[in-house]
Parts: sequence; structure tokens; C-alpha cells
Amino acid sequence: EVQLVESGGGLVQPGGSLRLSCSASGFTFSSYAMHWVRQAPGKGLEYVSAISSNGGSTYYADSVKGRFTISRDNSKNTLFLQMSSLRAEDTAVYYCVKGNSGSYYRPFDYWGQGTLVTVSS
Amino acid sequence: DIQMTQSPSSLSASVGDRVTITCRASQDISNYLAWFQQKPGKAPKSLIYAASSLQSGVPSKFSGSGSGTDFTLTISSLQPEDFATYYCQQYNIYPWTFGQGTKVEIK
Repeated sequence: EVQLVESGGGLVQPGGSLRLSCSASGFTFSSYAMHWVRQAPGKGLEYVSAISSNGGSTYYADSVKGRFTISRDNSKNTLFLQMSSLRAEDTAVYYCVKGNSGSYYRPFDYWGQGTLVTVSS
Repeated sequence: DIQMTQSPSSLSASVGDRVTITCRASQDISNYLAWFQQKPGKAPKSLIYAASSLQSGVPSKFSGSGSGTDFTLTISSLQPEDFATYYCQQYNIYPWTFGQGTKVEIK
């Protein structure tokens, strides 16, 4: 059974940093692209970032480019999102999402349960 | 960016009803269209990809169709567990974008 478990969310002040983790199990993590998608409270879904299966290629939405860094440790089956220079508008539930192939041009299949990030003073 | 517009934004339906949700892309996305279901307080669940292919484990009461700019999600016979918000998403061109969601409520 595919499982994606996010952690690392919490309350952070504007301008602060936070690192999210996503622990994966139930599939060969190193063979699949991974993504982060977020959802502000009461709002719709927003695409954030993607990483290829080997970590060699990444993509960032304009809204987070230069502030967020996606990475992965295939030896530990873990996906990361390093977030810095956080703003109030980054407040959201962050979901870890599995792609259905090694390329991040292929669609999603499984979602994690999400972790809440709140940016507030 | 490609804009995805869903209609209606919400609908009320009864158990057993056939429900259709539409999604329109602001430009041709071929069949690079996915649908997701989200229940309150829960993570989204993938239902359909490539406009009409069901994700593993998704019941056949869900179906998708369309190509180019116009797409539909149909639930053949609405059941209590289907009351949720549904989102479409294009994955043809980055940034991948989502529709605003369609909330399906009990009549």
C-alpha cells in the first residue's frame, strides 16, 4: 500500500524558514517523480514544485521560485521542501504527491494527508 | 498560465442522481486532464487521468471524457460517499493548474 506521510509543518514568523518532509513507503521511491501541492485555508489547490525520480530536474511555481527548494533522499525514501523567506500567503496545507512515472511530466496518482504551515507573527 | 474553469461551482443532487461536472481549459491541452475528489478535512484523491482513464481502485461509476478544451466528469449514480468537492487539473504545460472546484451537496 502506497503511503505518503508529511511532517514538519507548524507556526513560523514572516521571513522565517521551515523544512517539510514526506516519508514514502509501499513503492520504489527512487523510480517516481514527486510533487508538492498546497491549499490555503478554505481555498483551492495550487501547484508548488516537482522533482524527477533521480533528483536531477526540478520545477517551481513562480510564486515560490527563489524561496523554496525541493529535494529528495532516495536512500531514505524521503522528499523535502525547504521553505525560506516565508510570507503570510504561504499559509496552507502542503501535500506530498506521487507521480505515476519517473518524469514529472506525467500525472499524479497518490496524495499524502498534508501538513499545515502557518505564517504569522 | 492555462486557466481551468469548472461549472457549476456547486450543485445539489439526490442519492441515485446522475451528475455531470464540466471543465474548460483556456487553450488546447489535448487529453492531459485529471480529476480529483476531496472530502472535508481530507486530502484530495486521484480519480481520473488522461481525461478518461480511471486511477487504480476507483469505481466505474466515475467516468471522464473530452479532449482539447472541454471536459466532463460524470458520476453515474450518486451515493452518500460521493458528496465532496471535485477539481480538474491540466498537466499539459507547466505551471500545472487546477479548476476552482465543484462542490457536490446533498439535496
